[in-house]
Amino acid sequence: TQLLEQSPQFLSIQEGENLTVYCNSSSVFSSLQWYRQEPGEGPVLLVTVVTGGEVKKLKRLTFQFGDARKDSSLHITAAQPGDTGLYLCAGAGGGSQGNLIFGKGTKLSVKP
Amino acid sequence: DAGVTQSPTHLIKTRGQQVTLRCSPISGHKSVSWYQQVLGQGPQFIFQYYEKEERGRGNFPDRFSARQFPNYSSELNVNALLLGDSALYLCASSFRLQSIYEQYFGPGTRLTVT
Repeated sequence: TQLLEQSPQFLSIQEGENLTVYCNSSSVFSSLQWYRQEPGEGPVLLVTVVTGGEVKKLKRLTFQFGDARKDSSLHITAAQPGDTGLYLCAGAGGGSQGNLIFGKGTKLSVKP
Repeated sequence: DAGVTQSPTHLIKTRGQQVTLRCSPISGHKSVSWYQQVLGQGPQFIFQYYEKEERGRGNFPDRFSARQFPNYSSELNVNALLLGDSALYLCASSFRLQSIYEQYFGPGTRLTVT
């Protein structure tokens, strides 16, 4: 069974601080996606990483896919209150099915 | 372009009742997946449909069923509702079947079973 472990589970920081969220597994994933979800809404896709060692930047967000495609990290520079939300990583197992396997998420709160 | 739409937004049902949730994918997307998200957890995969055929099923009981229509919209049915079925039900669409193609989620249907 493929599982994704996210850490930390909760994170409360002040505006302007940097943070890193981790997503780890013992399984290999063909790709990994990061989503942000706000209360009562569906997850919004932030990025997809496909190649081992890949780094993608989205403004103040930096995403990295591990060389072995078993882990990923999300780094936010100079966090803002608008970054508050639930950050979910989701792995694609590959093959003919398209289901995503989600971690439990990291709940981020950025205080002004 | 319109995103994934789901209806209804909220629903309150009693134990033992049946419920039908609806989803319209992004125009041009042929794959629809359903996920259940209970409070404090990540979404869990229920079903995936592609070209009107079931292509994947998660670890959910037979009380859960779904179908996809010729216009690629989809319905999720849950029979004999239990209190534990209370959750946010999410629909996601993607262009193709394979998981490498990105999935885009709707706002969800909040189901409360009393």
